[in-house]
Formats: sequence, C-alpha cells, structure tokens
Amino acid sequence: GAVVSQHPSWVICKSGTSVKIECRSLDFQATTMFWYRQFPKQSLMLMATSNEGSKATYEQGVEKDKFLINHASLTLSTLTVTSAHPEDSSFYICSARPPGTDTGELFFGEGSRLTVL
Amino acid sequence: GQNIDQPTEMTATEGAIVQINCTYQTSGFNGLFWYQQHAGEAPTFLSYNVLDGLEEKGRFSSFLSRSKGYSYLLLKELQMKDSASYLCAPMDSNYQLIWGAGTKLIIKP
Repeated sequence: GAVVSQHPSWVICKSGTSVKIECRSLDFQATTMFWYRQFPKQSLMLMATSNEGSKATYEQGVEKDKFLINHASLTLSTLTVTSAHPEDSSFYICSARPPGTDTGELFFGEGSRLTVL
Repeated sequence: GQNIDQPTEMTATEGAIVQINCTYQTSGFNGLFWYQQHAGEAPTFLSYNVLDGLEEKGRFSSFLSRSKGYSYLLLKELQMKDSASYLCAPMDSNYQLIWGAGTKLIIKP
C-alpha cells in the first residue's frame, strides 16, 4: 500500500514556542492531505484539509492563525503549531489518499505526539 | 447531524470470536471504513464496505447494511495482538470520514 510518513514522532517544547510537523507521501503524489488531532481516549478530530498550491480548509473551531498549514509540494504538507500551550499537547496525525481514489483507503502517517511544557 | 455509535469497550478471550457493532447517521453515504488503532499509534486500514453484505479478509470480516445504517466487524481466532481500538468510520457525501471514539478491545489469555 501507499506510504505516508510523519516527522517528528515525538516532540517536547516549551510553552510559547512554535513546532513544525512534516507529513510526506513517499510513493504517490497527494494534492490533498488531512490533518487530525486526537486526545486520549477520544476520536480523531479533523483539523484541516491541506491543498497543494492553495490555502488549507479549516474545520469549524480550529484557529488557522495558530495551526499554520503549508502544502508547498505534491508530497509534503507541514503543520506548524504557533505559540504552543500545554492545552495543545496532543497526538497529531496526517493522512492522504493516492490521486483518483476519493473513496479509497486513507493512509495515515505514524503520528506526532506533542507535549508542551 | 452526523453520529457514530460503537460500544466503548469489549473483552474477549484469545482464540475466540468477537463482533463489534457500529450504527451510524451521516449526511449522504460513500461507504464505511474500519480501522485498527493500537495505543499511541496511528490507525491502520482494515476494510471498506460500500455495498450491502459481508466482506471477508482473512481473520477479519466486515458487514454493511445501508438501509439500517449498521455495520459490524467480526474478528475470528483472536490473538493477543488484536488488543486495540477499532474505529468505524463512514464516509459522507463530501467524501469526509466521520470518526467515532472507537471500541477498545481487550483480549485475555
């Protein structure tokens, strides 16, 4: 199957700093990538849909100025958590589908666990 | 609104069979996915149903009834490594996956 890779897997930062998480599709081109957040024992929550070459589409309640998404190439999307605070500590996961597969399997990255001190 | 209903937690014995039920309500429907998620890891794909009926894939089978808004995941010959959360995720008319909190399955020896 297709491969999606995230980096870093774990990150610890101080409150007020910014953290960048990368999501790469390794063997296919992804015009669209999805960013999720998951708190312990809760469901995946879609934060935003990243679109190559254009602005991301954010879900209701997600601050676009705090969670900056850049999809500069067909294989890379980045999520930057700006001025992180302890309540931003969570598991962040990206996913993508190969082109032409709207109803196909969604491939997930390994996830990035963010801890803000 | 859109809604997913799955049991929060289930317990089963190694070697046995377990069925995890899911009922859903979505705005439109483009199929339903089942994903497995081990603690601290990202979800991995198990199955996709778009037509009514049973799809079998090794030890795992998934069933769908669109008219009833109902699906189940059947796991046979349970192994300890099957201890995980199982996520039922229907896809709505916008091709968005709707995620519930999943069912935590605990396998006992």
